[in-house]
Amino acid sequence: DQQVKQNSPSLSVQEGRISILNCDYTNSMFDYFLWYKKYPAEGPTFLISISSIKDKNEDGRFTVFLNKSAKHLSLHIVPSQPGDSAVYFCATGESGTYKYIFGTGTRLKVLA
Amino acid sequence: DAGVTQSPTHLIKTRGQHVTLRCSPISGHKSVSWYQQVLGQGPQFIFQYYEKEERGRGNFPDRFSARQFPNYSSELNVNALLLGDSALYLCASSFYGTVNSNQPQHFGDGTRLSIL
Repeated sequence: DQQVKQNSPSLSVQEGRISILNCDYTNSMFDYFLWYKKYPAEGPTFLISISSIKDKNEDGRFTVFLNKSAKHLSLHIVPSQPGDSAVYFCATGESGTYKYIFGTGTRLKVLA
Repeated sequence: DAGVTQSPTHLIKTRGQHVTLRCSPISGHKSVSWYQQVLGQGPQFIFQYYEKEERGRGNFPDRFSARQFPNYSSELNVNALLLGDSALYLCASSFYGTVNSNQPQHFGDGTRLSIL
């Protein structure tokens, strides 16, 4: 019973182009969404978040889009850089609760 | 400022043994959560502690236990280790611990536990 799905295990993108990572969730009570980036031998690093009152949040090269009706969020990285090569996890939960649920991750490779 | 620190970084144990993993949160953070990440999966929630009280527990057997100390550091204990306990164990801290738009969790680099 996977409540959060990242259906693309891997993605390769040319340097300078856009990377789009996708995440789907099933529970309509989830109202806070985060993206983490993970390099090998390091813990996940918080990247960007969005609450359900918004449909878009931007931070530099990173933008997260939320489509509540489709229960879908995406992370756009523009322009992609080789240093962005990592595993990206989406995570979500219901505000006021204590538990975050993570997707299985997407490995992004940015080719120079 | 120091981030979340975890020790040890790597550990090798045999089946049936027990293990203690340690975590120090970011200064000022009162909540610690523990996650298990097996290869190819995302982190799975094990426990959360806030102000030394267990606030929540994931779907893990009673062999897993934890506690939080007055300085907000935490220990995760696993008894009667099984091969399937081999994983990366991650600790995350935040100020309140609740899912909150202003308080994302910050993770340590984890402890890699291998069971032989």
